[in-house]
Order: sequence, then C-alpha cells, then structure tokens
Amino acid sequence: GQQLNQSPQSMFIQEGEDVSMNCTSSSIFNTWLWYKQDPGEGPVLLIALYKAGELTSNGRLTAQFGITRKDSFLNISASIPSDVGIYFCAGGGSNYKLTFGKGTLLTVNP
Amino acid sequence: NAGVTQTPKFQVLKTGQSMTLQCAQDMNHNSMYWYRQDPGMGLRLIYYSASEGTTDKGEVPNGYNVSRLNKREFSLRLESAAPSQTSVYFCASSPVSGSEQFFGPGTRLTVL
Repeated sequence: GQQLNQSPQSMFIQEGEDVSMNCTSSSIFNTWLWYKQDPGEGPVLLIALYKAGELTSNGRLTAQFGITRKDSFLNISASIPSDVGIYFCAGGGSNYKLTFGKGTLLTVNP
Repeated sequence: NAGVTQTPKFQVLKTGQSMTLQCAQDMNHNSMYWYRQDPGMGLRLIYYSASEGTTDKGEVPNGYNVSRLNKREFSLRLESAAPSQTSVYFCASSPVSGSEQFFGPGTRLTVL
C-alpha cells in the first residue's frame, strides 16, 4: 500500500525559531493535507493543498505541494509555545482514503 | 455547528465485552471514517463509508463492524473486545471522498 515518510520524527526548538518538516512518498497524490494534534485532542486541519506546485499560507504556517506530487513541506515561522504538538501530513489519492504520515513531535522551549 | 462529535470520551471494557462507539457530524458531509491511533503507529483506517448506504474495510478491520445509520451518523462496534483493541478511536468526515477530513475529539478505550 501507499506509505508516507515524514521527517523529522521529533524536533526540540527555542521559541522564535523557524521550523520545517516534510513528507515524501513513492506514490503520487492529488491532495496534500497538514494537521496538528494537541495532547488528548483530535487532529485539526491546518492547510489543504490541491495543485502541484501550490504554496499556501495560514498565518505563520506555509505549506507547499511538491511539483512531482510526491512530496510536501510545512514551515512554521517564529515559533511560539502553543505550537507544541504533533504535526501530521496526509496524502489523498483517487480513492476515498487518506494516507497519513507518522507525525512530527514539536517541542518549543520558551 | 458542533462539527464531528463522538461518544463516549472514555471507556473501560473487560475482554469479551461488546460496545458501540457513536459518531455524528452536522456538516452535511458525504464520507465518514473510523481510525485508531496507537503510539508509534500513526492513524490507521479501520472502516470508511464513502456515502450513505455504503461501507468498506480499511487497513485494520478485523474485530470491528460498522453501520452508516444515516448521512449524519456512523457507528463502530466491537463485538468481543480484546486487549489489542486498547487504543484511541477517531471518527472523521469529509465533504467529498479523498478531500480534507475533519476529526472528532476521540474515544479512549481500554480493554482489560
């Protein structure tokens, strides 16, 4: 089946630093999504990307849909303590399902 | 709009007991999904319903059954719970299959 490789697995940064994480796949996706999950909560959609090459921002977050349709990255600028959580990428294909990465655990030191 | 709601939030079962996890969405979405989340395993799809009246197996369907009761509601049933089913269960919905999914708050299930 399809698999996503998400990296890094975890990051420990200082408040104010920029963060970058990415997902790669051997398969092509039609949609790339980025979610954030806080402890004890469900994943919350941050950014949705629908076209190869698309670059989308949501406040301090920026994500891109790779031109090959096999990868995507998420950048967070000027991190703050509430950015702490697990970030997941997900790829959507021609079927009804999403394929999820295993997540990047972000810790921000105030 | 409440979005996606799940009940119960927490549940403890003994091995062999049965229970049904409930999920409802008020966004008029066509597709609904059940996932389980385990440490180090990410989100794994158990069952999904592309539209009202249809259900299909996902990646890890063994030991589970589902019912798409109507467009709003999608339930997950454990007929005979096993300790391996201890997990956090999430329901999600999407307006169009393969598009963005919106998740509920989860049910934390422990099977002793």
